[in-house]
Amino acid sequence: KQEVTQIPAALSVPEGENLVLNCSFTDSAIYNLQWFRQDPGKGLTSLLLIQSSQREQTSGRLNASLDKSSGRSTLYIAASQPGDSATYLCAVGGDDKIIFGKGTRLHILP
Amino acid sequence: DAGITQSPRHKVTETGTPVTLRCHQTENHRYMYWYRQDPGHGLRLIHYSYGVKDTDKGEVSDGYSVSRSKTEDFLLTLESATSSQTSVYFCAISARTGGSGANVLTFGAGSRLTVL
Repeated sequence: KQEVTQIPAALSVPEGENLVLNCSFTDSAIYNLQWFRQDPGKGLTSLLLIQSSQREQTSGRLNASLDKSSGRSTLYIAASQPGDSATYLCAVGGDDKIIFGKGTRLHILP
Repeated sequence: DAGITQSPRHKVTETGTPVTLRCHQTENHRYMYWYRQDPGHGLRLIHYSYGVKDTDKGEVSDGYSVSRSKTEDFLLTLESATSSQTSVYFCAISARTGGSGANVLTFGAGSRLTVL
């Protein structure tokens, strides 16, 4: 059974800092890993998807890495802004199921 | 959200009544998923479908059933709603065709269900 863990559960950092969010999973037989953003009371928005054959993906100030052998992924956010405040979730796709972590609630202090 | 419509968006019902939530897609994607989101639990997979009339259980399927009689619609039914099923329910679709192909999971706007 796949289990996905995100640490820390919550994080507050001053504006402008670079930060890393972590995601770990127990079963390395995955097809892909996806990072999402969720604003309070809203739906989920896809940020980055990494296929199992890839090591990283980049979009603007965001960079996601994947290490299947160790069961880890990181989401790096450069030069954080108050608008980055949200909950970030990772989702691991294996077989037909897509399993989520509980998320990291990020607060960027102005 | 583009291509996915959930209905109803909000519903209040009483314990013991049946409830059906509908997810409709215009993308003709093969995979559809139902999740529930609760504080402290993140998103948990209830059921998913990999084709018409092809469905399987997720992490928290007890008390829920699903049906998919056509590609575009995936129904989630609570046969006899309980207060523990008060939650926000999200539908998602994926274009995955098998193997390790890339497939972005796209979500609907959510349905907020309150069971009194």
